[in-house]
Amino acid sequence: GENVEQHPSTLSVQEGDSAVIKCTYSDSASNYFPWYKQELGKRPQLIIDIRSNVGEKKDQRIAVTLNKTAKHFSLHITETQPEDSAVYFCAASMGSGGGADGLTFGKGTHLIIQP
Amino acid sequence: DTEVTQTPKHLVMGMTNKKSLKCEQHMGHRAMYWYKQKAKKPPELMFVYSYEKLSINESVPSRFSPECPNSSLLNLHLHALQPEDSALYLCASSAPRAGDQETQYFGPGTRLLVL
Repeated sequence: GENVEQHPSTLSVQEGDSAVIKCTYSDSASNYFPWYKQELGKRPQLIIDIRSNVGEKKDQRIAVTLNKTAKHFSLHITETQPEDSAVYFCAASMGSGGGADGLTFGKGTHLIIQP
Repeated sequence: DTEVTQTPKHLVMGMTNKKSLKCEQHMGHRAMYWYKQKAKKPPELMFVYSYEKLSINESVPSRFSPECPNSSLLNLHLHALQPEDSALYLCASSAPRAGDQETQYFGPGTRLLVL
């Protein structure tokens, strides 16, 4: 099955600086890569996703890049703010089985924004 | 309605009890998922239903029994659970698209404690 590795496990940055979280996946058949933000006691919320036919996607301060050859994808957050503090999960899916394949998650990154 | 709802929010049960978790969505999604999330860990896929049929069972013990009565509802029946089954149980839904994976929207979860 798919295996997703995520680094770092904890990331502390100064407010206003950029944060980068990296993930690698094992199965070249995976074609969908979402990123979720989970605050303490809350549900995971999608912040951005990318499909394998796209190399980069941006939404305001958040961007995701995908390198299919190397099987890795990264989340970039610019101009970090205190409300960005949370646990971030990357995930991968093959989209097989009629498009309902389930997600395999990385172990998560605890992002801490220092004021 | 763009939300996935789950009831109850919290559940405490003994090892001999039978209980059920309920998940509901009215977004017209035809794929629904159960995930289990232990503290400080990522969500782990348990079951996937696509068009009310069980399509994926990730080798989950039979003390967990899923049911999809209709396209808007997903239940998880619990019987003879163990203390190690204590976790946050997350439901998610998506609109399946053949050969691809659509965004999964998560409910707030049911926090289960097995005594």
